[in-house]
Amino acid sequence: NAGVTQTPKFRVLKTGQSMTLLCAQDMNHEYMYWYRQDPGMGLRLIHYSVGEGTTAKGEVPDGYNVSRLKKQNFLLGLESAAPSQTSVYFCASSYSYYGYTFGSGTRLTVV
Amino acid sequence: AQSVTQPDIHITVSEGASLELRCNYSYGATPYLFWYVQSPGQGLQLLLKYFSGDTLVQGIKGFEAEFKRSQSSFNLRKPSVHWSDAAEYFCAVGRTQGGKLIFGQGTELSVKP
Repeated sequence: NAGVTQTPKFRVLKTGQSMTLLCAQDMNHEYMYWYRQDPGMGLRLIHYSVGEGTTAKGEVPDGYNVSRLKKQNFLLGLESAAPSQTSVYFCASSYSYYGYTFGSGTRLTVV
Repeated sequence: AQSVTQPDIHITVSEGASLELRCNYSYGATPYLFWYVQSPGQGLQLLLKYFSGDTLVQGIKGFEAEFKRSQSSFNLRKPSVHWSDAAEYFCAVGRTQGGKLIFGQGTELSVKP
């Protein structure tokens, strides 16, 4: 049982490049989330989804887009990367309010 | 506004000593409360959660937390810390549509031998 899998684990981008982070869960969870973690700021919600085909903005959505075409996958896109998007990105999924299952994170550096 | 505050950025305790990590929240209704632990380079793991009922909740790895409504607090405790407990700890609160959680800034725990 893999839980939540994030790919890639590490990535270095040049300013202006685009990329997509993939999150896949095998627990049939309805809710999925993308957070970013920065030192001293905890985790901040970027976007989330309450079910297949739905997405919503979180606390810090600017510069990111998401899609949830299949229930098990939640994609986070950066159309034009900026150094301010250097961060560790975590995906999580949940069944209602019963706590999240997190992926192991993607460390992204934008130079 | 909804928020979670962890007043201590970094705490150092000796192995075998007791531990208390503080968490205060601001929320419009009775929230669901969580503590997560993050080891270096890893994702977050759920330690324990409070939804309702008994205000003292037990979690994994010997941790417990107490919900105090009057103080808007949900402090995490452990009677005897082990070196393997060194990690970052996050308090989180939620009860909103879609199960969104708001996380505190985290408390980094160091354990002295």
